[in-house]
Amino acid sequence: KNQVEQSPQSLIILEGKNCTLQCNYTVSPFSNLRWYKQDTGRGPVSLTIMTFSENTKSNGRYTATLDADTKQSSLHITASQLSDSASYICVVKGANNDMRFGAGTRLTVKP
Amino acid sequence: DVKVTQSSRYLVKRTGEKVFLECVQDMDHENMFWYRQDPGLGLRLIYFSYDVKMKEKGDIPEGYSVSREKKERFSLILESASTNQTSMYLCASSLRGQILYGYTFGSGTRLTVV
Repeated sequence: KNQVEQSPQSLIILEGKNCTLQCNYTVSPFSNLRWYKQDTGRGPVSLTIMTFSENTKSNGRYTATLDADTKQSSLHITASQLSDSASYICVVKGANNDMRFGAGTRLTVKP
Repeated sequence: DVKVTQSSRYLVKRTGEKVFLECVQDMDHENMFWYRQDPGLGLRLIYFSYDVKMKEKGDIPEGYSVSREKKERFSLILESASTNQTSMYLCASSLRGQILYGYTFGSGTRLTVV
């Protein structure tokens, strides 16, 4: 079983709408959690990083949350744009530097 | 900006061929990684390297080898390509000792083995 589970697997929304992507993990001990955006045919690019003590962090229209007690994180995208269409990957780093990747959520924003 | 460059975006190779995937980074990073990415499975670590001439197996090293003769270059080698190695291959690099520093990924090489 993957130590990082993402949901939904795919999502289609209309331009301008908000959406929330989920990431649940079992990696322990925990060091940090990062959300990446991966455009089709490209490598992943970091959006935000959350450490144990951080609950919320924003990067423009992207807001990530972390609940280290329940081992859950979410990525909220506000006022979606067509350019948000991509895969979003949750990556959890253990305290032993072990990196675990989620399978990703494929987001499609339609006009 | 850190750049991680993978030499090919698309490759088509025949079963049994020896395949070289090249990755070069220009920011003097100590750590370099090779992942493969398959639908529904996420990224899986093949090999990584923390220094020149140093290599460590990742989660799925079978059928692969690597070479790191220079700090900036990390090569992935498929000794005898098979169809189950058809995948997207991603190279990444990072600074040693920077726990919060994330990976910088290359654009990926989509390999098809026929």
